[in-house]
Amino acid sequence: DAKTTQPTSMDCAEGRAANLPCNHSTISGNEYVYWYRQIHSQGPQYIIHGLKNNETNEMASLIITEDRKSSTLILPHATLRDTAVYYCIVRVAYSGGGADGLTFGKGTHLIIQP
Amino acid sequence: DADVTQTPRNRITKTGKRIMLECSQTKGHDRMYWYRQDPGLGLRLIYYSFDVKDINKGEISDGYSVSRQAQAKFSLSLESAIPNQTALYFCATSDFSPLSGSFYETQYFGPGTRLLVL
Repeated sequence: DAKTTQPTSMDCAEGRAANLPCNHSTISGNEYVYWYRQIHSQGPQYIIHGLKNNETNEMASLIITEDRKSSTLILPHATLRDTAVYYCIVRVAYSGGGADGLTFGKGTHLIIQP
Repeated sequence: DADVTQTPRNRITKTGKRIMLECSQTKGHDRMYWYRQDPGLGLRLIYYSFDVKDINKGEISDGYSVSRQAQAKFSLSLESAIPNQTALYFCATSDFSPLSGSFYETQYFGPGTRLLVL
């Protein structure tokens, strides 16, 4: 799986959009970009994933650059409950085969300020 | 996620003791995982299982063993606990969904077990 680089921490005001960047310059053509988050000492929670198109779900939007070397997770209206560590993970998709675990780096600690 | 449960939630034990952490899931997933997390660090994979007959070592399996008793149950054992195994332990299951001839995977994590080895 390709390596990712994220800022260590970020602040965002409550009610504003939180934009979390991730660099993955060595991503290969069959690797997806996944985002998970971990609220203090809880189990990580899946947020969103994408291959090359921008994606949106009820939690967030994912913007992937055309060259796929970086992406941005957007939380459109951040709340205090969004304070968490956010992990960007690049991972190959499998065609009917097995899968090993996710590779978590240190992530970005997002702090939502009231 | 309430569909993945872990017991106990907290455990204090002494060096040299054997302990077992248990994980159960009601999601019907074949794949299950054990991770550990140390303060300020990401998760590291200990063991994973594709089904009841398939067990695989992860990045840091030394000092640990696992048992997949059924599709829904995956237990992690510390044969002889040592202080540097003090950590937060997470169980996870995963779901593969078809997409464009391939599959993408989503993992679902339990609430964690906080283990302290004295």
